[in-house]
Order: sequence, then C-alpha cells, then structure tokens
Amino acid sequence: DQQVKQNSPSLSVQEGRISILNCDYTNSMFDYFLWYKKYPAEGPTFLISISSIKDKNEDGRFTVFLNKSAKHLSLHIVPSQPGDSAVYFCAASGNFGNEKLTFGTGTRLTIIP
Amino acid sequence: ETGVTQSPTHLIKTRGQQVTLRCSSQSGHNTVSWYQQALGQGPQFIFQYYREEENGRGNFPPRFSGLQFPNYSSELNVNALELDDSALYLCASSLGGRGDTQYFGPGTRLTVL
Repeated sequence: DQQVKQNSPSLSVQEGRISILNCDYTNSMFDYFLWYKKYPAEGPTFLISISSIKDKNEDGRFTVFLNKSAKHLSLHIVPSQPGDSAVYFCAASGNFGNEKLTFGTGTRLTIIP
Repeated sequence: ETGVTQSPTHLIKTRGQQVTLRCSSQSGHNTVSWYQQALGQGPQFIFQYYREEENGRGNFPPRFSGLQFPNYSSELNVNALELDDSALYLCASSLGGRGDTQYFGPGTRLTVL
C-alpha cells in the first residue's frame, strides 16, 4: 500500500522556467511533509519542509504548497537551473516530524539548457 | 560540523552471509534512522534508534537488527542475506524532536550474489 505517491516518474523543464513536482498521500495521520533531492551515488539532500498547520512555505527558489483537503502537495522551483536536475522525493511523517519518514517513489527532473 | 558518514561505500556478499553496515551521525544528533532503497523505489524505513534504544521499526524481518552506541553512531546488521536484500542502505540522523529534519548519509550499496 503506497501511502505517498509521486505519479510522474520524470519531468523535463526548460532552464529558467518553473518546475512543478507533485505528490499525493493517503494517510490522514501525516502532518509533516518534506522534499529531498538526490543525485546519483549520494544520499538524499533535504530541500524544504512544511507542517500541516501551514499551506505554503518558501525558501529562495523553492516553494512547497500543501492542500490538506486534497491530500496533495507540490514543490515549485523558480527559476529552474541545470543544477536542479536530480531525482526529487516527497516524504511524509506523523507527530509533526517525530516519526519515521514515508517516501514516494521519486520524480526525475531534467532541466534542459 | 561533520555530516552523516557511512561505511563501507560498496559491499558484495553472497546469499546466506551476514553483513554489518556503519553510520556516524551528524554532530549533536542523538537519533539515527535506517532506510533501504531498492532500485527505482523510494527509501523504506527499517528502524530508528534514539539514545541507544530502538524507537520504531518498519516492516522488516528480525534478521535486520541494529545498535546505537553512546556516541550515537550506529550499526545495521543483516543475517542470512537474501538476493532481495541488494539495495542502497541509507542512514539518517536527527535531533529527534518535532519538526526536526533527518539528514542522510551517502549510503552503502549492498550487492548480494
């Protein structure tokens, strides 16, 4: 049972444009959500997080939006840069991040110069 | 500040053997979590240690066991290796509180022949 789903295995975006990565979850107990970026042969790198008490969190070029009623979150990257090419994982946790992380299967983002 | 480190980087074992993977947590972090990432999948939670005690376990058989030491470093032991145990094993450390972020090491690539 996949509790966190990333339905797009891959995404290609022109450099300078907006990249939008999507994630859906089914477990109502999740109240803390994170995005990680992963390069080959490296561990996941934390990007940004959001608690269920908020619906938006920004950090530089990265913004995460949370729609609790739809159980959906998205990561916006603006503007997209070649260094953003990586696999992006959405992860969810309960107890405001004090529990295990449940990951999606990832979306491979390719930024086209 | 030293990040999360893991050893070894790569390991090849045969079916039925036993393996020990090691993780040094980030300075100041008292919680270590282990994840298994199979090819094309997101990381799956194995277990978590907080101040040397197991603090949650995922859906993995008892032949997956762990330890956390007083300096908060950790080991993952897998007995009676099976072919399906071939994966990237990731260690993440955190402060263990609400809203705290898990920071990942580079992983150990285990191949079981």
